[in-house]
Amino acid sequence: QKEVEQDPGPLSVPEGAIVSLNCTYSNSAFQYFMWYRQYSRKGPELLMYTYSSGNKEDGRFTAQVDKSSKYISLFIRDSQPSDSATYLCAMNKGTDKLIFGTGTRLQVFP
Amino acid sequence: EAGVVQSPRYKIIEKKQPVAFWCNPISGHNTLYWYLQNLGQGPELLIRYENEEAVDDSQLPKDRFSAERLKGVDSTLKIQPAELGDSAVYLCASSLGAEQYFGPGTRLTVT
Repeated sequence: QKEVEQDPGPLSVPEGAIVSLNCTYSNSAFQYFMWYRQYSRKGPELLMYTYSSGNKEDGRFTAQVDKSSKYISLFIRDSQPSDSATYLCAMNKGTDKLIFGTGTRLQVFP
Repeated sequence: EAGVVQSPRYKIIEKKQPVAFWCNPISGHNTLYWYLQNLGQGPELLIRYENEEAVDDSQLPKDRFSAERLKGVDSTLKIQPAELGDSAVYLCASSLGAEQYFGPGTRLTVT
């Protein structure tokens, strides 16, 4: 069993939809939770960073962490075609290595 | 502020040849990481440096891979000799705390 599980998709939604992306994990020692966006042939770009449990909002993006359920989510409101990319969840205990999910491919069609 | 810089962006070599990748981290970031990303997968750590010290190289295949970070700034990752299975994207990242920032990666194709 992988430490971090993520549905690979693909997820196809119409422009303006609310997108929900999720990951589950098994290691209760994880404290830092991140979401990266990766366009084709580009490096991962840090979107959201959350410490411990709770919600964090940044524009159209909201990250949620539920440590009791070992479940994290990223919500994208008013999705745009430019949001079409692969979204990777990642987590660690500090400055140690990030453990990534496999990524969910999202396509937002006009 | 400049991001993580990597070169080359693309490299095609024949198997058994050597290859080297270079990374310059974000200024002031003392932690540097090399990750490997296979198609359809998330990145996986090869080696982590704190300043010039390699503090986690447990996933680095030491028979053919080597890395260095002289003076605790930029870093080089080398493969010698390359194998077909080494075809992947090699990503460099740096951090000051828990957040890690990635470079564009080097896409290696071994033929």
